[in-house]
Amino acid sequence: EDQVTQSPEALRLQEGESSSLNCSYTVSGLRGLFWYRQDPGKGPEFLFTLYSAGEEKEKERLKATLTKKESFLHITAPKPEDSATYLCAVQATGTASKLTFGTGTRLQVTL
Amino acid sequence: DAGITQSPRHKVTETGTPVTLRCHQTENHRYMYWYRQDPGHGLRLIHYSYGVKDTDKGEVSDGYSVSRSKTEDFLLTLESATSSQTSVYFCAISTDRGFSNEQFFGPGTRLTVL
Repeated sequence: EDQVTQSPEALRLQEGESSSLNCSYTVSGLRGLFWYRQDPGKGPEFLFTLYSAGEEKEKERLKATLTKKESFLHITAPKPEDSATYLCAVQATGTASKLTFGTGTRLQVTL
Repeated sequence: DAGITQSPRHKVTETGTPVTLRCHQTENHRYMYWYRQDPGHGLRLIHYSYGVKDTDKGEVSDGYSVSRSKTEDFLLTLESATSSQTSVYFCAISTDRGFSNEQFFGPGTRLTVL
């Protein structure tokens, strides 16, 4: 059974204080690992897809990396508008596009 | 914007009543999904569709049925709603690029079953 565990559950940072979110996964064969951002009362917003160990993707202050067992979402010099819940999901090979999600990390960035 | 709308956005109903949620897409994608989101559980797949009249079960399908008679519409039905089905329901579509696929989500429907 595919599993995704995200840590920490919640993280409070001051503006400019860089940190990382962790996504550990077990999957029979990884087809893709996805990061989403979710604001309160809204649907998840797609951020990145990573396909293989060693791959990195960047978008503004966010950088996602992937190893064979986990992924990190690095947030550099965060701003209050980066406050959101960040979700990680995996897609296994041969699963007809189904995703297994973690429970998310709730990030709060204060001034 | 993936062109996904959900209706209704909010609904309060009573135990035992049937409820249908609608997902509509404007971009002709083949794959569509229904998820529920609950505190402590994250997003869990209820049912998905890989074409008109082609559907399959996800991990939490008991008590739910789906239908897809047109590419653009995917309906989720609770035949007899229970309080355990109080949740936020999200529809998603897949870009279906073959090797991997990103899923894009609608705005959600908040359902309360009293």
